[in-house]
Amino acid sequence: GAGVSQSPSNKVTEKGKDVELRCDPISGHTALYWYRQSLGQGLEFLIYFQGNSAPDKSGLPSDRFSAERTGGSVSTLTIQRTQQEDSAVYLCASRGQLNTEAFFGQGTRLTVV
Amino acid sequence: AQSVTQPDIHITVSEGASLELRCNYSYGATPYLFWYVQSPGQGLQLLLKYFSGDTLVQGIKGFEAEFKRSQSSFNLRKPSVHWSDAAEYFCAVGEMEYGNKLVFGAGTILRVKS
Repeated sequence: GAGVSQSPSNKVTEKGKDVELRCDPISGHTALYWYRQSLGQGLEFLIYFQGNSAPDKSGLPSDRFSAERTGGSVSTLTIQRTQQEDSAVYLCASRGQLNTEAFFGQGTRLTVV
Repeated sequence: AQSVTQPDIHITVSEGASLELRCNYSYGATPYLFWYVQSPGQGLQLLLKYFSGDTLVQGIKGFEAEFKRSQSSFNLRKPSVHWSDAAEYFCAVGEMEYGNKLVFGAGTILRVKS
């Protein structure tokens, strides 16, 4: 597709369960970002991938959160043992070599009940 | 580390009035600067960006922003607001090196009254 694609668009899970959120960046984009947007909050940086470099994980809030990017393309954000405070919209963005702005997906709305 | 401050959480303006949304950043070198808009239930859309050259940049939907290095600011302006401009606006800063992370401000919610 032409844009950043995220799936699922909505996810409801029970507290304590693990969830996986997927991001398909724009083809050819080497930089990929995950952000979290909680109700009434700004965009909280989580993790950043750039090509084959080690990811910048400085924004991950706890060791329950992890992310990987396979083949330099698709990325999966995993949240283990979900808590109610994990409820938020998780946004993915990608950037290409010739562009300077990031393009965002529509996000995954995660609700932990 | 870079940081972004948007001091106004909410702003309400009348339709047709002018608008200025404030953004201050903290970064040692010349940054990349961006304004994004998020309409209710929508994703983030780029309004405009600055990375070099003319300090007054024009964006989509009639918006403009001015980079002022001495004030570490990148305020967003529009001369006449339309009801459809009601949304949340985010300022972001990125380093000049390609590919570094983007840091966002907390956002400013714009309400437009008729």
